[in-house]
Formats: sequence, structure tokens, C-alpha cells
Amino acid sequence: EAGVAQSPRYKIIEKRQSVAFWCNPISGHATLYWYQQILGQGPKLLIQFQNNGVVDDSQLPKDRFSAERLKGVDSTLKIQPAKLEDSAVYLCASSLGFKGELFFGEGSRLTVL
Amino acid sequence: AQSVTQLGSHVSVSEGALVLLRCNYSSSVPPYLFWYVQYPNQGLQLLLKYTTGATLVKGINGFEAEFKKSETSFHLTKPSAHMSDAAEYFCAVSDGNNRLAFGKGNQVVVIP
Repeated sequence: EAGVAQSPRYKIIEKRQSVAFWCNPISGHATLYWYQQILGQGPKLLIQFQNNGVVDDSQLPKDRFSAERLKGVDSTLKIQPAKLEDSAVYLCASSLGFKGELFFGEGSRLTVL
Repeated sequence: AQSVTQLGSHVSVSEGALVLLRCNYSSSVPPYLFWYVQYPNQGLQLLLKYTTGATLVKGINGFEAEFKKSETSFHLTKPSAHMSDAAEYFCAVSDGNNRLAFGKGNQVVVIP
């Protein structure tokens, strides 16, 4: 069974530029999550989708971050404009439902200069 | 709001010695508790979880954890450390809807 796929694995941009990350969850997983992991800290939930609807985006900085999950499968996370403090690893995870085990992708590492 | 506290960012343990990672949680509802492991440049992998029932939970790779409600703790142990246990370990708490709140993590170094 294929795992959670993320791309790109690494991205370096300058502040005020934009960036987008893509996630393809495990087939059949209805729930999808984006987490932000800053160096030295644990992952922080940014947004949770159930199919193509948003369940929780209370910790998403909506002035610069946006996420969508069209057709309830793939998802993209966008940052525009990026700030230095956005340097982090962005982890995508998926689960069968709210009670299922989360499976994480390898992450997309963003460096903002 | 739910949260977990993991003390000591780096933990050194000799090969063959006991591994003990401490986790204390705060939750306004009965908690779901998790331990995840992260190897370099990889995603998080579930080690074990507590939802309801038996308070001693066994996971993969010989790890186990005990839920102690009176102490609001969920400490992770392994009787004998192996070199392959070198990784970062995260404790997490959930309200039952998979919205996990993670601790800051423990980087485990195994000394030969």
C-alpha cells in the first residue's frame, strides 16, 4: 500500500515570495491534516479536512496561509507571502476517519531566506 | 485546550540500558494518548496509543507506556536500548477527534 506522498521535499525561497506544497493521501482516507513542525518543536496542527470540507483551521494563519482539498483527495497548502518564521517542515497526514491511525508523509522542508 | 509536556530535549542512554521518556498531559476530557517516533528525514510513525481500557499499552519495537490518570502521565519505556532506537520521540494528546497536540519531543542518543 502506498503511503502519504508529499512534494516538493525541499524548497528554498526568499521572504515575501510564495510557495505551494502538495499532498496525496493514502487511498480511501477521508481525513487529511497539515502540520507545521518548526525546528526544536513538536508538530502543530494547521488544518484538518474531512473529505473536501474543513473541520478545523483554527491555527492556520489565514492572512498568509491557505489550503484546499479539491475532490476530497489531493490537497495543497500555500503560503503567500512567506516570512522568515515560516521556515519549517510541513507534514501531511491522513486517516480513515476521526478515530483512525494517522499516517504521515515524509514532509516538505521550507527554508525562507 | 489539550497539551503535553516532555522534559529534557536530549536523552542519552547506554546500549542495553532502560529507556524512559516522560510525558505529562493536560486535558479537559478523557484523553487519547500517543507516542510517535521520527527518524531523520522521515515522517512520524506511531509507536503506541491509549484510548480506553487497559492502562498498560504495548507498542512496536519493544516499547510500552502506562496511562496513570492520577499522575496525568503517559511515560514511555523500553527495558533494553538498541542502537536502532536513536530517533526523536513525541508524545501527543487528542480529544478523540484526531486533532493531536504534540510535545516538543525527546531526541534519544544511544551510546555504544
